[in-house]
Formats: sequence, C-alpha cells, structure tokens
Amino acid sequence: SAVISQKPSRDICQRGTSLTIQCQVDSQVTMMFWYRQQPGQSLTLIATANQGSEATYESGFVIDKFPISRPNLTFSTLTVSNMSPEDSSIYLCSVEGRDSLAKNIQYFGAGTRLSVL
Amino acid sequence: SQQGEEDPQALSIQEGENATMNCSYKTSINNLQWYRQNSGRGLVHLILIRSNEREKHSGRLRVTLDTSKKSSSLLITASRAADTASYFCATQINYGQNFVFGPGTRLSVLP
Repeated sequence: SAVISQKPSRDICQRGTSLTIQCQVDSQVTMMFWYRQQPGQSLTLIATANQGSEATYESGFVIDKFPISRPNLTFSTLTVSNMSPEDSSIYLCSVEGRDSLAKNIQYFGAGTRLSVL
Repeated sequence: SQQGEEDPQALSIQEGENATMNCSYKTSINNLQWYRQNSGRGLVHLILIRSNEREKHSGRLRVTLDTSKKSSSLLITASRAADTASYFCATQINYGQNFVFGPGTRLSVLP
C-alpha cells in the first residue's frame, strides 16, 4: 500500500485567488493522479502527472486553470488558479499500487475541501 | 463520458440487514473495483475483480461481475452503522490506463 499526505485538508478562499495543494507519497511512484469531486458527485479525473514531463489533462481541464508540478517521484502539487465559487470541491490526489498485490489499486489522499466565496 | 452507473443512488437499511449496490458500465474492461468514501474524505479500496472472474469475497463483502451484462454488484452482509458511507465502482479498461468512477451509492445503516 501507499501512504499519501495531502495538504491543506481544507481551505476557504476568496474569488480570484489561487490555492496550491500538495501531495506527498511515502514511496516513489511513476504516475500521480489529481481528481475533483464536486459536492454530492463522483470523482472526475483532472490530470495525470508523470515525473519529468508535462501533465496530461482530461477534457474540460486546462493547464492555465490547474497547473501541476511533479518535481520528483514522491511529490506533486495542483494549483487551482483564479478561483470562482464553481471551483468549490474536494480535490484528491492518488497513486497506483506498485507491487504485484497492489497493482491496479489506487490509493488516495484524504482530500482537500475547498470553498470559494 | 462516465463509464459506470450505479444504483441505487441512496440506500437506507437497518443494522444487521444486507445491502446490495449495483454498477453498470459501457465498454469492455480489464477490471472493476469498489471503493468506500466516508463523509467527504479520501477513498479506500475495498475489492478488485478482474474481467475473467465472476465472484470475489472479502470478509462481509461479496462482489459479482457479469461481463455479458456489463454489470457488477457489491453485497455487504450483516451491515453495521460503521458501514455508513458512499460506495463507488471504478472501471479500468486496460492496465495503466485511467480509472473511471461511477456516481456512487450513499449507504446509511441505521442503528
């Protein structure tokens, strides 16, 4: 299994500002995933972050709005830029298990609950 | 587009009863997984079933997979108040590719 630390756990932000969410994993992983979960909804993949290359964004998400950094194999950040109330969601990072028993399983951080006023 | 659809959207049962949740998907998959989410926190993996498997058990959990109907069910037996959570199915078309999550079922187990 993987232990993922995500911070902040929650924040309340003003419209037009930006928030950077950090995700730290206790082991080296190739890919890290960022999800958004709007209130009462399921998870939607924002982007996949590989170390040493540009993140791959899903349809409907763009780098200018959600810039991602992946400086090494254990850390990533997601920034929510120029926030509006529609960005109020839970943001989750995850990684995929590496060993044969955990392959195909995703491990999640506890999430960042963002409220934009 | 979302791969999985779940029903019911919400389920309320008494402690000790069984809870059954269903998930349907649209395309062929490599595996299907069930996750639990407590009160808006991170998801916890429950069980994985591969496309060549029909049934798996883990403790009080039983998962079935019918690839001909593109559907899966999660059965929680002898439910407890601590099982109150949202349950999501997630499908993966091929190993290494993205997971697609269903809309989830909100389960309430009343003491």
